[in-house]
Amino acid sequence: GNSVTQMEGPVTLSEEAFLTINCTYTATGYPSLFWYVQYPGEGLQLLLKATKADDKGSNKGFEATYRKETTSFHLEKGSVQVSDSAVYFCALRKYGGSQGNLIFGKGTKLSVKP
Amino acid sequence: DAGVTQSPTHLIKTRGQHVTLRCSPISGHKSVSWYQQVLGQGPQFIFQYYEKEERGRGNFPDRFSARQFPNYSSELNVNALLLGDSALYLCASSTNPGGMNTEAFFGQGTRLTVV
Repeated sequence: GNSVTQMEGPVTLSEEAFLTINCTYTATGYPSLFWYVQYPGEGLQLLLKATKADDKGSNKGFEATYRKETTSFHLEKGSVQVSDSAVYFCALRKYGGSQGNLIFGKGTKLSVKP
Repeated sequence: DAGVTQSPTHLIKTRGQHVTLRCSPISGHKSVSWYQQVLGQGPQFIFQYYEKEERGRGNFPDRFSARQFPNYSSELNVNALLLGDSALYLCASSTNPGGMNTEAFFGQGTRLTVV
């Protein structure tokens, strides 16, 4: 079946440190891949997405590249800020057909210290 | 434009009771999906509706049901509540259910606590 595995947290970094959150997926066919962010007490916000192999999604300094050969979609940011503290979810969706539900990983909590 | 709105924001119920959660999608969006997020876990898909028809159902018991109204708003109903139903229930709306570039927009969620 389709599934997403992301690195366990929590991840604690100092401000301006480099961030990597690993995400790998298992899926038949060609899914779209997403990173969502959840700030404390809030719902999910789409951070970035990629819809085909070798696509790079980017937003707010975050980047992730769709790697079909390694079935991965790792999230990176060159210099994190305190305001980036949140829970990050990797997700996939199969496109086409009549159903398009998202399948999420368990989430990785990021804490950035000043 | 208003985003996805969910009501109520918080709810406390007793085991065995029934609960109804409500969701209003973004104007123009015809697809609504429901997800359950247990503390410390990622959201799990419950239902998807499009044009008032059920398009998908996750691995949840029959105690969970939903419907979509002509104005595309939706209700999620849970009967015979169990302690394990305590979670954040998220609603997401999109223009259509499965397009490659379709983005799902999430509401703030309803925090359900079963005691």
